[in-house]
Amino acid sequence: DQQVKQNSPSLSVQEGRISILNCDYTNSMFDYFLWYKKYPAEGPTFLISISSIKDKNEDGRFTVFLNKSAKHLSLHIVPSQPGDSAVYFCAASALGGGADGLTFGKGTHLIIQP
Amino acid sequence: DTGVSQDPRHKITKRGQNVTFRCDPISEHNRLYWYRQTLGQGPEFLTYFQNEAQLEKSRLLSDRFSAERPKGSFSTLEIQRTEQGDSAMYLCASSAPGQGYEQYFGPGTRLTVT
Repeated sequence: DQQVKQNSPSLSVQEGRISILNCDYTNSMFDYFLWYKKYPAEGPTFLISISSIKDKNEDGRFTVFLNKSAKHLSLHIVPSQPGDSAVYFCAASALGGGADGLTFGKGTHLIIQP
Repeated sequence: DTGVSQDPRHKITKRGQNVTFRCDPISEHNRLYWYRQTLGQGPEFLTYFQNEAQLEKSRLLSDRFSAERPKGSFSTLEIQRTEQGDSAMYLCASSAPGQGYEQYFGPGTRLTVT
C-alpha cells in the first residue's frame, strides 16, 4: 500500500505564478516530512522539510504547509521559475533521528511554461 | 564537500551475472542508505548503515542482495544472479549526526539486466 501519495503525476504552471504541489500520507507514525527535487539523470536534491510539531516552514521561494489532521502537506513555490521544472518527491520519516529509510511518493512532474 | 558519489553510473549485465556497486558518502556523514528507483516510482528504501553496522533492511532486500560498509566509510551493494526485475536506478544517500532526517543523494547507478 502507498503510504505517501502524490496524486498529480504532472502539473503545468506559468512562469512567475505560484506552483502548489500536494502530498497525502496514511501512516500516523510519520513525524517528519521532506521535499526533494529531481532532474533527469541526477539523484534527488533535498529542498525543504517540516517537523510534525510545526504547520509551516519557509525557505526563500519555497514554503511547506502541514495539516496533520488531514494528513496532508503541500509545497508552494512562488514565483515559479523555468529552473523549477523537475520531478518533485514528497517523503516521510517515521522514527526520530533519521534512523530509518524515507518513504517516498511517486512524484509530480512540474513544468514551468514561459 | 564533494557530495555523495557512486560508481559506476551505468551497468549493463546479462541475467545470472553478479554485479557490485560502490557508494562514497559525504566524508563526515556516519549514516548511509541504499534505495532503488524504478520508472514512474519514487525511491524505495533497501538498507541503512550507521557507521559500519547495518541496522535496518527492507523486505525488498532479497537474499540475492548484500550490502557492506566495512570501515564505516564507503559502501558496496552486491546483487547475485541478477534477474531482469533488478533493472532499476540504485541510489545511495548519506546523512550527518544531528541532521538525521535530511538525506543527501548521489547520482545513482543505472542497472540494466538483459
